[in-house]
Amino acid sequence: ETGVTQSPTHLIKTRGQQVTLRCSSQSGHNTVSWYQQALGQGPQFIFQYYREEENGRGNFPPRFSGLQFPNYSSELNVNALELDDSALYLCASSSGQGGGEQYFGPGTRLTVT
Amino acid sequence: AQRVTQPEKLLSVFKGAPVELKCNYSYSGSPELFWYVQYSRQRLQLLLRHISRESIKGFTADLNKGETSFHLKKPFAQEEDSAMYYCALRSGSGNTGKLIFGQGTTLQVKP
Repeated sequence: ETGVTQSPTHLIKTRGQQVTLRCSSQSGHNTVSWYQQALGQGPQFIFQYYREEENGRGNFPPRFSGLQFPNYSSELNVNALELDDSALYLCASSSGQGGGEQYFGPGTRLTVT
Repeated sequence: AQRVTQPEKLLSVFKGAPVELKCNYSYSGSPELFWYVQYSRQRLQLLLRHISRESIKGFTADLNKGETSFHLKKPFAQEEDSAMYYCALRSGSGNTGKLIFGQGTTLQVKP
């Protein structure tokens, strides 16, 4: 069984740029959730995808968008990057619509300068 | 509003001492409560959930709905317990399994 993987590990971008982060879900899982973890804070829910459809969204602006593919892998896209977007981005995969245990990836560290 | 509060950023104890990591929540309804742990250089992982009422690595947590608390306890701390601990809440209704995390408590177990 393959665990949740994320790429890239680290990323440095300039304010105003766009970024795409990727997540491969654990085998057998059809739900992916994305979280933003700022330094010294707990993870904050961005959104969730279930069977390629958005299945809930946290308090993040529309410039945060996502996709889920038929193989249940997922992308997080952030447009018009701001300095405050610097954070660790975590994805978690689970089975079922909302109720399953979430297995977390190692995260992507995004730095916006 | 749904909220999880972990009042201590750092808890430092000696090996063999009892540990209690505090967690309070704000939620109307029937939440699910979890404890997640992150060891150094490892990913976030589930430690335990209130509905299973199990003991993992000697840790237990009881949901107290009257006090809206879900404190994590261990009678005798071990050095390998040193890690970051997050309390999290999941709504018991609806079909979005989003987790609401507290800010986390660093547990430092000294030899």
